[in-house]
Amino acid sequence: GAVVSQHPSWVICKSGTSVKIECRSLDFQATTMFWYRQFPKQSLMLMATSNEGSKATYEQGVEKDKFLINHASLTLSTLTVTSAHPEDSSFYICSAHPFSGGNNEQFFGPGTRLTVL
Amino acid sequence: EDKVVQSPLSLVVHEGDTVTLNCSYEVTNFRSLLWYKQEKKAPTFLFMLTSSGIEKKSGRLSSILDKKELFSILNITATQTGDSAVYLCAAKRPSSGDKLTFGTGTRLAVRP
Repeated sequence: GAVVSQHPSWVICKSGTSVKIECRSLDFQATTMFWYRQFPKQSLMLMATSNEGSKATYEQGVEKDKFLINHASLTLSTLTVTSAHPEDSSFYICSAHPFSGGNNEQFFGPGTRLTVL
Repeated sequence: EDKVVQSPLSLVVHEGDTVTLNCSYEVTNFRSLLWYKQEKKAPTFLFMLTSSGIEKKSGRLSSILDKKELFSILNITATQTGDSAVYLCAAKRPSSGDKLTFGTGTRLAVRP
């Protein structure tokens, strides 16, 4: 199956700093990637849709200036958590699927656990 | 607002038992329903269901969709301790890249 990687797998940072998380599709091209956040014992919440070559679309309630998304190539999307605070501590997961549209499943990256002190 | 609800929220069974996990949905322009298994990290794909009444099987796992009643079930027979995980269902909506709306998940614990 298609492989999606994320880097880093975990990160600890101080409050007020910015953290960048990378999501890569290793063996396929993805015009669209998705970013999710998962708090402990809760489900995945879609944060935004990352579109290659255009602006990301954010779900209601997600601050676009705080969670900057860049999808500069067909295999890489980045999520930058700016001025991180302890409440941003969470598990961030990206996903992609090999074809734009169609009826194919999304493949998930292994996730990045962010802890903000 | 789109909604996906799973039940039960958690379940404890013994090895060898059969379990049925439920997922109901209210999603505008529904396209398909997906089941994922999540252990410690990211979800792994189990099934995608698009047509009503057609059972999909993979080993001891099977799933079916009812588009009239807006629900799906995931069955696991002869459970093993390795089946312990959170099982997530998600409804796919047609949009740029097909967004997924996830349910709350069912946490399954299989005791030896």
